[in-house]
Amino acid sequence: DAGITQSPRHKVTETGTPVTLRCHQTENHRYMYWYRQDPGHGLRLIHYSYGVKDTDKGEVSDGYSVSRSKTEDFLLTLESATSSQTSVYFCAISVTAGTDTQYFGPGTRLTVL
Amino acid sequence: GEDVEQSLFLSVREGDSSVINCTYTDSSSTYLYWYKQEPGAGLQLLTYIFSNMDMKQDQRLTVLLNKKDKHLSLRIADTQTGDSAIYFCAETLPGGYNKLIFGAGTRLAVHP
Repeated sequence: DAGITQSPRHKVTETGTPVTLRCHQTENHRYMYWYRQDPGHGLRLIHYSYGVKDTDKGEVSDGYSVSRSKTEDFLLTLESATSSQTSVYFCAISVTAGTDTQYFGPGTRLTVL
Repeated sequence: GEDVEQSLFLSVREGDSSVINCTYTDSSSTYLYWYKQEPGAGLQLLTYIFSNMDMKQDQRLTVLLNKKDKHLSLRIADTQTGDSAIYFCAETLPGGYNKLIFGAGTRLAVHP
């Protein structure tokens, strides 16, 4: 399972509140990613990181920020949650040897009321 | 921009073969992937194919790649109820950093 955990696994919050989701990996992989999954859209990339303090925007980054102060942790923050951010969020890491394959965490189901 | 398209739903009888199709746009992709997602779970890598290959077989799974038509397919032989899941194809995005773009996913339903 590539040693990826996400916390919390489920969260219900109210519109306008800040929310931080955590992704933790145990194997010191350089590349980490945050996706959201919505019906009919598959997975869409929010932000990604290519090293400590090195991050960049993905396809759907508006309303989200990220931080990576340690190799093992990649945080996704919704500064002021909106109902359109209700989704399932997945973290992934990329194993860079050979096939560039991404491995996924178990996901966080976020509901914004 | 880059895009990956899949049909959304496939229903097959147990024991039959399933074929899930995918079209992609970026001809420079080095690898193309198939992932499986079971209910309430994350994505699990099923298989991948290198872009200079036409076919890859792995037990019950056969991946076919037609680079000319930018078409990828996943065949599951002897489909079982445990194969019921959502299947995503994905390709690498240009620009490095191992970024992927995913299709919307095909929901496979296996019935007796």
